[in-house]
Amino acid sequence: DIQMTQSPSSVSASVGERVTITCRASQGISTWLAWYQQKPGKAPKLLIYAASSLQSGVPSRFRGRGSGTDFTLTINSLQPEDFATYYCQQANRFPLTFGGGTKVEIK
Amino acid sequence: QVQLQQSGPGLVKPSQTLSLTCAISGDNVSSNSAAWNWIRQSPSRGLEWLGRTYHRSEWHSDYALSVKSRIRINPDTSKNQFSLQLNSVTPEDTAVYYCALTPRQWLVLGGVAEELYAFNMWGQGTMVTVSS
Repeated sequence: DIQMTQSPSSVSASVGERVTITCRASQGISTWLAWYQQKPGKAPKLLIYAASSLQSGVPSRFRGRGSGTDFTLTINSLQPEDFATYYCQQANRFPLTFGGGTKVEIK
Repeated sequence: QVQLQQSGPGLVKPSQTLSLTCAISGDNVSSNSAAWNWIRQSPSRGLEWLGRTYHRSEWHSDYALSVKSRIRINPDTSKNQFSLQLNSVTPEDTAVYYCALTPRQWLVLGGVAEELYAFNMWGQGTMVTVSS
């Protein structure tokens, strides 16, 4: 199985700040990576697919980059509604696997 | 707009069978452009993909090795839904269970097209507790 490792596990930031989350795959996955946002008590929501493609309706302050084994999700100018947990997922090899999550908290 | 509506019991006794259903609106379970998945989430295991069913001229299913001996995911074309059955449950199967859709998407890299499996629609989740 492909292991997905996210860092940090949590980050504190203020509204308006920029936050970057890292995801590393245990083997190369080209750009077959997705990012999700999850709020308490809700299902995850797809933000980005193919490492950098923004899902329809997702604000442009979310940016995904990377290929191979190293990926980042950057949230520019954090908004109050962005405080949540974020997960990466490798999207090509079965079993599909997720990272452990990064919680973005209010400073 | 596709919507997925889950139903099923929130409490299952150890050694019994966990059964959940996911009703689809806005798409068809028999679509050749979609796959229908079950995922669970627990504090100890995080988000864990369990399996999927999909139709490509005939029905197919794929399962995670961790549950392969105990799981069945079946389509129900008459009701446009799909179901999860997990047998011989233990307290370790306690989790929030989600159904989710992966549309058929292709990435072409270096002249080679491969499928991308991203979950672009999720059910609301069902908390299932395994306890006597």
